[in-house]
Amino acid sequence: DSGVTQTPKHLITATGQRVTLRCSPRSGDLSVYWYQQSLDQGLQFLIQYYNGEERAKGNILERFSAQQFPDLHSELNLSSLELGDSALYFCASSGLGAGENIQYFGAGTRLSVL
Amino acid sequence: AQSVTQLGSHVSVSEGALVLLRCNYSSSVPPYLFWYVQYPNQGLQLLLKYTSAATLVKGINGFEAEFKKSETSFHLTKPSAHMSDAAEYFCAVSSLNTGFQKLVFGTGTRLLVSP
Repeated sequence: DSGVTQTPKHLITATGQRVTLRCSPRSGDLSVYWYQQSLDQGLQFLIQYYNGEERAKGNILERFSAQQFPDLHSELNLSSLELGDSALYFCASSGLGAGENIQYFGAGTRLSVL
Repeated sequence: AQSVTQLGSHVSVSEGALVLLRCNYSSSVPPYLFWYVQYPNQGLQLLLKYTSAATLVKGINGFEAEFKKSETSFHLTKPSAHMSDAAEYFCAVSSLNTGFQKLVFGTGTRLLVSP
């Protein structure tokens, strides 16, 4: 158990809809990262938050947004969903300080857009 | 920009045989390098990491990897494969000099272990 919790485990929805994926980081970790894993794109970094503020952006679509709340949990919002958004979405967290550059991954949320 | 190349999308070995999964990286700054394993329907689990200390890194489940700067490689090995090692393995790179950097992953290598 990595200590990173993602909910829900599975999500099935229709095109055009909006969904919210939730992530609770390991206790004490200030950084949260979101990744997308798909068959055609592999594992791609989407976005990172550190202590409530956006820190880095990757290949994240404008239809997607994220935030990190004061209690450090994070949410990834996906809107106007398309078939191609079907993927496994991972959240990871990491700590602060030397030697803490290790990301611990949750079990993922599998999104199916029908 | 950083990148990782994993040679071979599938590697097949017999139980008890040597496992060798190849990873080459590209980075303009000293890298952190990682190997993660993903079992079916599960998340990514850290196997081992290189963060500029010893070049030979030992990880969990008997795996190890050697950082070779001259070859820009970080290949993963295990002397004797077990059936339970069947999974997908990802090599990843991030920056050494800046904290909290994104991980750049390779395309993964699926390890198949036959009895």
